[in-house]
Amino acid sequence: AQSVAQPEDQVNVAEGNPLTVKCTYSVSGNPYLFWYVQYPNRGLQFLLKYITGDNLVKGSYGFEAEFNKSQTSFHLKKPSALVSDSALYFCAVRDIRSGNTGKLIFGQGTTLQVKP
Amino acid sequence: DTGVSQNPRHKITKRGQNVTFRCDPISEHNRLYWYRQTLGQGPEFLTYFQNEAQLEKSRLLSDRFSAERPKGSFSTLEIQRTEQGDSAMYLCASSFRREGYTDTQYFGPGTRLTVL
Repeated sequence: AQSVAQPEDQVNVAEGNPLTVKCTYSVSGNPYLFWYVQYPNRGLQFLLKYITGDNLVKGSYGFEAEFNKSQTSFHLKKPSALVSDSALYFCAVRDIRSGNTGKLIFGQGTTLQVKP
Repeated sequence: DTGVSQNPRHKITKRGQNVTFRCDPISEHNRLYWYRQTLGQGPEFLTYFQNEAQLEKSRLLSDRFSAERPKGSFSTLEIQRTEQGDSAMYLCASSFRREGYTDTQYFGPGTRLTVL
């Protein structure tokens, strides 16, 4: 079965410190992986995606993610956290079992809290 | 604003009533998705359209749910005889699918449904 797991319900980090939000995946075949962020009362905003190529993917707002095939992970990172980064983060994998639907399977989300 | 829009943003209804939500995708996006998100969970796929054709429905979509996308533009999601278990955030996303590329889904702000 295809799935993603976000092992941490919440991540706390001080402003200015590096942050990591973890994601592991389970897919058959090559994974197409995504990160989205959700602020209160707003929809999901796309941050970045990995399809193929370089294992380090750069995205919006200074975020990047590292694809690691041997560890089946796709962790989200940022060198220096901002208070405004506090939000709910979702990792997702494209479900390729049903052809080209493009539907996404999401993790349960990780709340990032950046403290001043 | 040229993003995905959804109306209404909030809907409170009584059990047994029918409700209808509307989604306006990004202009020229040929794919439109509906997801449902309950508290503390990631979004779950409900259904999707390629232009006006509804190509896949999740088993989460009971026969009380119906979705349409007339003329391949906006979409509506109707829930008949609502139940308290239908209370959730209903998210719409759109993307532009072209052969050989992995499309990115862009989400609207969601419609929060509360069934009393």
